Amino acid sequence: GAVVSQHPSRVICKSGTSVKIECRSLDFQATTMFWYRQFPKQSLMLMATSNEGSKATYEQGVEKDKFLINHASLTLSTLTVTSAHPEDSSFYICSVEERGQQYFGPGTRLTVT
Amino acid sequence: AQSVTQLGSHVSVSEGALVLLRCNYSSSVPPYLFWYVQYPNQGLQLLLKYTTGATLVKGINGFEAEFKKSETSFHLTKPSAHMSDAAEYFCAVSENSGYALNFGKGTSLLVTP
Repeated sequence: GAVVSQHPSRVICKSGTSVKIECRSLDFQATTMFWYRQFPKQSLMLMATSNEGSKATYEQGVEKDKFLINHASLTLSTLTVTSAHPEDSSFYICSVEERGQQYFGPGTRLTVT
Repeated sequence: AQSVTQLGSHVSVSEGALVLLRCNYSSSVPPYLFWYVQYPNQGLQLLLKYTTGATLVKGINGFEAEFKKSETSFHLTKPSAHMSDAAEYFCAVSENSGYALNFGKGTSLLVTP
């Protein structure tokens, strides 16, 4: 199956700054990627669906101007958390869909101080 | 709309004992059902999935699950628990292959010696 990487694995940033998280499909050209967020000891919640070459589709309640998603190529999608606040601290996980199955990246732990 | 409910946020079993993790789903269309495992600070790994066909699905690491439409259930079982099975387990549903997943809240499995 598809191999998915994320960078960085951990990041600490100060409140008010922006952070970019990369999701790469290493061996598969992905037209669709998904971004999830997981708060401590909670389940994964879908944030948005990233489509190559077009605008992302955001889930209800997710601020598109705060969580900027760019899927500029078939192997790379980026999530930028703008003007980060401590409540944005979370585990962000991306996934790639291949032949009807999702393959998940290892996740990025974001801590906003 | 689709959703899953995982009964029991924490399950503790002795090493060698039967593992049973419960999942009930709600779906207006024939569901695609999944079980994922997550180790601390890691992404999700697919254990098994049900799409169509045989209702008893065998997965990796000795796990299996049975789709029971009449009970709207997809419980995960393993005959004999190993210490290495200790992890967080998520049940998920989607309405089609390649679609975003709706996750349950997860069940933390503890295996005691």
